[in-house]
Amino acid sequence: AQKVTQAQTEISVVEKEDVTLDCVYETRDTTYYLFWYKQPPSGELVFLIRRNSFDEQNEISGRYSWNFQKSTSSFNFTITASQVVDSAVYFCALSEGESSGDKLTFGTGTRLAVRP
Amino acid sequence: EAQVTQNPRYLITVTGKKLTVTCSQNMNHEYMSWYRQDPGLGLRQIYYSMNVEVTDKGDVPEGYKVSRKEKRNFPLILESPSPNQTSLYFCATQGQVGSPLHFGNGTRLTVT
Repeated sequence: AQKVTQAQTEISVVEKEDVTLDCVYETRDTTYYLFWYKQPPSGELVFLIRRNSFDEQNEISGRYSWNFQKSTSSFNFTITASQVVDSAVYFCALSEGESSGDKLTFGTGTRLAVRP
Repeated sequence: EAQVTQNPRYLITVTGKKLTVTCSQNMNHEYMSWYRQDPGLGLRQIYYSMNVEVTDKGDVPEGYKVSRKEKRNFPLILESPSPNQTSLYFCATQGQVGSPLHFGNGTRLTVT
């Protein structure tokens, strides 16, 4: 069965610090998809990134970057020069695609607080 | 604009009083699902639907019903709500396999 572990429940940093949110996943499938979602205090879920299992290239989008390593089953998320607006709960999620009816299995989330 | 619309946003009810949370999408997606979010547990899937008249249980289906009579709507029904169903609920749709889920804005339900 698929599983996603976000061991960091809460992280607090001061503005401009870099912060990395960890995500470790388990799956028996060779084809799968990994996602990160952001949930700001307003409560909606905002899609950040998707990675498929065949694409291990790291990705950078502005201050955000993602490090996908199949060897350690990890898909970590780094925010560089954090800002107060980054304060949110971040969820990592896994989909095994067709074998599971596209169900997303979520981690328990990491609450990030960025202090001014 | 692509949208998943849930209603209501907030709902307070009493134990045993039947309620329905509506979900509607305008993206013509076949796949729709419901999740509940609880502190320390993340989001867990309640039910999903691969197409009209096709629904199936997710990880936590007990106490819930769904229907998919038409492609755009996927209501979540609580026939006899109980306090342990107090939660934040999200409806979601998906286009192709492996594509991101599109979530509604959530429904915060409190059952007293």
